[in-house]
Amino acid sequence: DTGVSQDPRHKITKRGQNVTFRCDPISEHNRLYWYRQTLGQGPEFLTYFQNEAQLEKSRLLSDRFSAERPKGSFSTLEIQRTEQGDSAMYLCASSFYGTRLTDTQYFGPGTRLTVL
Amino acid sequence: QQQVKQSPQSLIVQKGGIPIINCAYENTAFDYFPWYQQFPGKGPALLIAIRPDVSEKKEGRFTISFNKSAKQFSLHIMDSQPGDSATYFCAASMASGGSNYKLTFGKGTLLTVNP
Repeated sequence: DTGVSQDPRHKITKRGQNVTFRCDPISEHNRLYWYRQTLGQGPEFLTYFQNEAQLEKSRLLSDRFSAERPKGSFSTLEIQRTEQGDSAMYLCASSFYGTRLTDTQYFGPGTRLTVL
Repeated sequence: QQQVKQSPQSLIVQKGGIPIINCAYENTAFDYFPWYQQFPGKGPALLIAIRPDVSEKKEGRFTISFNKSAKQFSLHIMDSQPGDSATYFCAASMASGGSNYKLTFGKGTLLTVNP
């Protein structure tokens, strides 16, 4: 399977703990995105990378959240001092941005975070 | 502020029926409108997308109708099948100017197609 993969698929943690999620995009894709999806809602944009550069962060991404894509391949999303309100599905997507005006975003299966 | 409003929240049809899901947007700078399908435990997958220079686009059993003046667009699923049962999301972004990275999603429609 050469789609977007995410690890872990599920994470249960206690409030105040730090958690880190990993996303492996489709190999030739230069853009990588993070979204958050809560129950009954559509995905909400958090941040995106073009190659290794983080080009935009949503105001939803508080200073407890940090994302990296050190070599322009996989990415990590870390949440420090987790709060119950952080419980959600964290989705990663990737795309190839080139000469076309629009590029299709391909989503991974997500990491479901539960903060107790 | 919800920039993309989707309705209905849920929809039940019989096999062979034509479910219609509607979306309305507020930001006139949006110029790329994709629909995503999401099965339980999976990430959203692109179904079909439209730019505002056309009023209709068909791909297989899926059709998008677009009304630029009303700022509305809808998804029609022809000859629906039980395997189409999923959550459907409309989305919008500003493709011109390179801003298509930021998809704004509706809240989703849970479609159930009964056999």
